Amino acid sequence: GAVVSQHPSRVICKSGTSVKIECRSLDFQATTMFWYRQFPKQSLMLMATSNEGSKATYEQGVEKDKFLINHASLTLSTLTVTSAHPEDSSFYICSAATGDNEQFFGPGTRLTVL
Amino acid sequence: GEDVEQSLFLSVREGDSSVINCTYTDSSSTYLYWYKQEPGAGLQLLTYIFSNMDMKQDQRLTVLLNKKDKHLSLRIADTQTGDSAIYFCAEGDTGRRALTFGSGTRLQVQP
Repeated sequence: GAVVSQHPSRVICKSGTSVKIECRSLDFQATTMFWYRQFPKQSLMLMATSNEGSKATYEQGVEKDKFLINHASLTLSTLTVTSAHPEDSSFYICSAATGDNEQFFGPGTRLTVL
Repeated sequence: GEDVEQSLFLSVREGDSSVINCTYTDSSSTYLYWYKQEPGAGLQLLTYIFSNMDMKQDQRLTVLLNKKDKHLSLRIADTQTGDSAIYFCAEGDTGRRALTFGSGTRLQVQP
């Protein structure tokens, strides 16, 4: 199947700093990518939909100024957590859809904010 | 709104069959998916079924869909210890829209 990568896989940062997470579709182009957040032992919750060449669409309750999304190319979307705080610590997962209605997920990025 | 529900836990013995159930509420769902997540890892797409199908089989995996009751199940034949993981069902109306996930079912396979 199609491969989606994320970088970094783990990141630890100090409170108040910003962290950028990359999501890449390695062998297909994705006009739409999705960013999810997963708290321990919970399901995935959609944060935002990232559209290539346009602004991201954020879910209710997700601060767009805190979680900046850029989808500059058909194979790359980035999520920047600005001024991170301990409550932002979570597992962030991106996905990308192929033309065959399959959605493939990245391996996730575990963010720990001290 | 959309809602997807799953039981939280299932324990089976190695070699037995596992059946993981899921119910959903969105009647416009076009595709229903099963994903597997191992500890600390991302989601692995196992299989998906189009809403006009009632069954799909792929090696040890069998997906049954009862669209009338909005009930989806995943059967794993000859369950192995390597199948121990969390299994998520998800629904979506096209591949371009985000999926709605169930809470996940933790499958524990006893040797």
